[in-house]
Amino acid sequence: QQQVKQSPQSLIVQKGGISIINCAYENTAFDYFPWYQQFPGKGPALLIAIRPDVSEKKEGRFTISFNKSAKQFSLHIMDSQPGDSATYFCAATSSADGGRRALTFGSGTRLQVQP
Amino acid sequence: KAGVTQTPRYLIKTRGQQVTLSCSPISGHRSVSWYQQTPGQGLQFLFEYFSETQRNKGNFPGRFSGRQFSNSRSEMNVSTLELGDSALYLCASSFLQAGDTQYFGPGTRLTVL
Repeated sequence: QQQVKQSPQSLIVQKGGISIINCAYENTAFDYFPWYQQFPGKGPALLIAIRPDVSEKKEGRFTISFNKSAKQFSLHIMDSQPGDSATYFCAATSSADGGRRALTFGSGTRLQVQP
Repeated sequence: KAGVTQTPRYLIKTRGQQVTLSCSPISGHRSVSWYQQTPGQGLQFLFEYFSETQRNKGNFPGRFSGRQFSNSRSEMNVSTLELGDSALYLCASSFLQAGDTQYFGPGTRLTVL
């Protein structure tokens, strides 16, 4: 079963706080883990991505932590801002199947950052 | 570079009709994937095309089909529309192989009445 489980479903954070979204996967063939941000009426936009050969990747206020043994990865948004209010999706895919690119998405987390 | 474009942005159809959605990938991108997004099922993979060939297909009925042209533009078609086909249909393009970043378009909002 190629599933990616995401939690929490919704999250309310105060401005300046840290937002943490978690994902867990089952398919050990997954080797690329992107996070997408989606605003209402827009398509998902790539935020940050990681491969399992590193345990952490940071880009600005966004950090992915990756635990290969636990098959878990998480997104940390530092100094959360009201403009970060959006739905966040984790995803995973595998390059092992001949270059196919079906992304398996988590169920999404609706983040609300209160001013 | 211009992003992924999708047309039309909004569409209203009635049950039993068919619909064709269009996607123009980012210039130079050869892979186009389609996804369906609904509140209940989330984002689900429909199919992926590369060099005019379907390389992968998700778990959707045969009423959903697609194609890719030599300029990498892609279309998807849904025949005999059902109420449950109401969704946001997203197209994503990427340069080449698996693991490349996929860039999504704004989607086509299909409403079936």
